[in-house]
Amino acid sequence: DAGVIQSPRHEVTEMGQEVTLRCKPISGHNSLFWYRQTMMRGLELLIYFNNNVPIDDSGMPEDRFSAKMPNASFSTLKIQPSEPRDSAVYFCASSLNGQGAGGYTFGSGTRLTVV
Amino acid sequence: KNQVEQSPQSLIILEGKNCTLQCNYTVSPFSNLRWYKQDTGRGPVSLTIMTFSENTKSNGRYTATLDADTKQSSLHITASQLSDSASYICVVSATNSGYALNFGKGTSLLVTP
Repeated sequence: DAGVIQSPRHEVTEMGQEVTLRCKPISGHNSLFWYRQTMMRGLELLIYFNNNVPIDDSGMPEDRFSAKMPNASFSTLKIQPSEPRDSAVYFCASSLNGQGAGGYTFGSGTRLTVV
Repeated sequence: KNQVEQSPQSLIILEGKNCTLQCNYTVSPFSNLRWYKQDTGRGPVSLTIMTFSENTKSNGRYTATLDADTKQSSLHITASQLSDSASYICVVSATNSGYALNFGKGTSLLVTP
């Protein structure tokens, strides 16, 4: 298994531009999580999908952020318009049946820089 | 409020030496505690998981301890290697939280030759 695959690995964009981050979870995992990591705040949950349905999006910071999971093997996190304070590393993680306690597998992350 | 505090924030040690990282939490009711290792440019990878009834768990040169009464955990690294240089993150789950995790901000460890 190739693990959780995220793309791109690095993204540099100008303020105001749209950014789309992509994630392919582990095959067979039915729970998917998007996290944001910064030095100041550590890892923060943005949104949680179970069986392709958004269950908890309370961590999405603003309406500029949106996430979709059109099928079991693909999810996107979009920021439109992007701002410099969105600069962070964004991680996607997947698990079986939402097992937040144990079954998480993280991707390698997308480092986003908004200038 | 559920919180997880880690110390020290950063640590530099010589190769071959031992070190201990600390994690204090207020998460309640407690379910389990995990230590993750995050290499630079990578996602976190689980090292150990401990439930309420477990006091010690080892994974190679990594040994985690848990004191559920004082709500403290430690991660001890024995005979450190250069490859141990990473961020170590303490993650605590509550029994009523399902998928939700409480993350510490991590301890950044640098092992020097």
